[in-house]
Amino acid sequence: AQSVTQLGSHVSVSEGALVLLRCNYSSSVPPYLFWYVQYPNQGLQLLLKYTSAATLVKGINGFEAEFKKSETSFHLTKPSAHMSDAAEYFCAVSDLDDKIIFGKGTRLHILP
Amino acid sequence: DAGITQSPRYKITETGRQVTLMCHQTWSHSYMFWYRQDLGHGLRLIYYSAAADITDKGEVPDGYVVSRSKTENFPLTLESATRSQTSVYFCASAVTSGRDEQFFGPGTRLTVL
Repeated sequence: AQSVTQLGSHVSVSEGALVLLRCNYSSSVPPYLFWYVQYPNQGLQLLLKYTSAATLVKGINGFEAEFKKSETSFHLTKPSAHMSDAAEYFCAVSDLDDKIIFGKGTRLHILP
Repeated sequence: DAGITQSPRYKITETGRQVTLMCHQTWSHSYMFWYRQDLGHGLRLIYYSAAADITDKGEVPDGYVVSRSKTENFPLTLESATRSQTSVYFCASAVTSGRDEQFFGPGTRLTVL
C-alpha cells in the first residue's frame, strides 16, 4: 500500500531563511506527487504537482520541489521564508488508483 | 456562489444522534471526496465518488454513509454519532480522478458530546 512520510511535525525557520520540508513516499510505480498548503481555518490548496514531465517542479508563492526517484523523496523548498508562509503543509501521493494518500502534515513556523 | 461549499461550518451533537454534513460543488467535477482531519493523523479518506451513483470506501469508512444522486452534491451521514467522530471534515472535488488537483471546501468542525 502507498504511504507518505513527512519528517517533522513542526519546523521553525527564521524570516528570510531557507525553508525545507521533507517528504518520502513508497511506490512501486511512478507516482503522482503533490504538496498542499492549509492556512488556519481553511481547506487545503494545491502548491504544486509532479507528473513526470520534469523533476524540478515550481509552484505558487515561490515554492518548488524536486523529485528524486533514487531517494523516493519529494522535498519542498523555498529560498527565503516570509511570515505569510506560516501554515501546515501536506505531501500527498497517488499511483494507479483514484485516491491520493496524504502525509500527516508539517506545521511551518516563521520566526521574526 | 461558485466553488465548493460545506454546511454547516460548525456542529455540536450528542452521541447516538444522526448527523448529515452537506457538500456542494458548482464545477460539475466528476470526483468528490470526504476526508477527516485529526491531530497526528493528517487527512484520512472516508469515502469518495467517481460519478453520480458511484461511491467507494476510503481508509476509514466505518460509521459513515454517503450518497450521490446528483453530480454536484455529496452528503456525508453519521448514522449514530460517536465521540471518536469528533473531527474536522473536508469535502473535495476533482475533474477526472484522484490524481488531479483536488479542490477543498472550508471544512465542517463537528463535536460529538
